[in-house]
Amino acid sequence: VQLVESGGGLVQPGGSLRLSCGASGFTFSIYNMNWVRQAPGKGLEWVSSMSRDNDMYYADSVQGRFTISRDNAKNSLYLQMDSLRVEDTAVYYCARAKTFGGSYAHDFWGRGTLVTVSS
Amino acid sequence: YVLTQPPSVSVAPGQTARITCGGNNIGGKSVHWYQQKPGQAPVLVVYDDTARPSGIPERFSASNSGNTATLTISGVEAGDEADYYCQVWGTSPDHFVFGTGTTVTVL
Repeated sequence: VQLVESGGGLVQPGGSLRLSCGASGFTFSIYNMNWVRQAPGKGLEWVSSMSRDNDMYYADSVQGRFTISRDNAKNSLYLQMDSLRVEDTAVYYCARAKTFGGSYAHDFWGRGTLVTVSS
Repeated sequence: YVLTQPPSVSVAPGQTARITCGGNNIGGKSVHWYQQKPGQAPVLVVYDDTARPSGIPERFSASNSGNTATLTISGVEAGDEADYYCQVWGTSPDHFVFGTGTTVTVL
C-alpha cells in the first residue's frame, strides 16, 4: 500500500489550493478515504472523508470551504481548498479508512504535504 | 465529543508506560491508537480497543472501559519515544475524533 500526497505550498489568505493523493497497492475503489491535518506543533485533526459510495463528510472547521472528491479510475483522492485561512496551515495527510468491528481506523497514511497560508 | 490525554508521560527504559484517553462513555466505542515519531506520518498500533496490526510488537497492549481507554507499552525501549493519539469514529458532530495526544519520553 502506498499513498502519495501532492499539491501543497504557500498561498495567501483567501486563496485556493487543490491537494491530490495517489494510491497504489490496493483496490482503491472499495475503501473509504480521509484527509487528516496537523498544524505545526499540534495534534491530529480529521478534515474530511469520502466513502466508497461517494458520501462526503467534513469537519465543521472546513465545511463550506473544502471539497473532497475521488477518481477511482485514476486511484486518486482530492481536496479542493478554497477561502483558505491562516489557521488552515498544516501538514495534510491522506489516509485509508478501514473498518474494524463496526468502527473505522486509519490503517495506512501518506507522508503528507505542507500547506502554508500566509501573506 | 472530546478525547483527553495527558500531555506527557516519562518512563525509564524497560519499565511500563500507560497512556490514558478519557471520553464520555468511551467504553461503549471502539478505540484506535496511533504512534507518531518526529517528522513521520502516524502509524496504527492498536485497533478496535485491543487488537494489534501485523508487525506491531506484543509490548503494545490496550484496554477500554467506562470513561477511559488505556494504551500500555511494556518493556519500553528508546525507539518507543513518540507522540501517541487515541481515536474514535462515529461521533457527532465530527465523523472522526482524535485525542489531544501524549508525548512519551524515555528517560
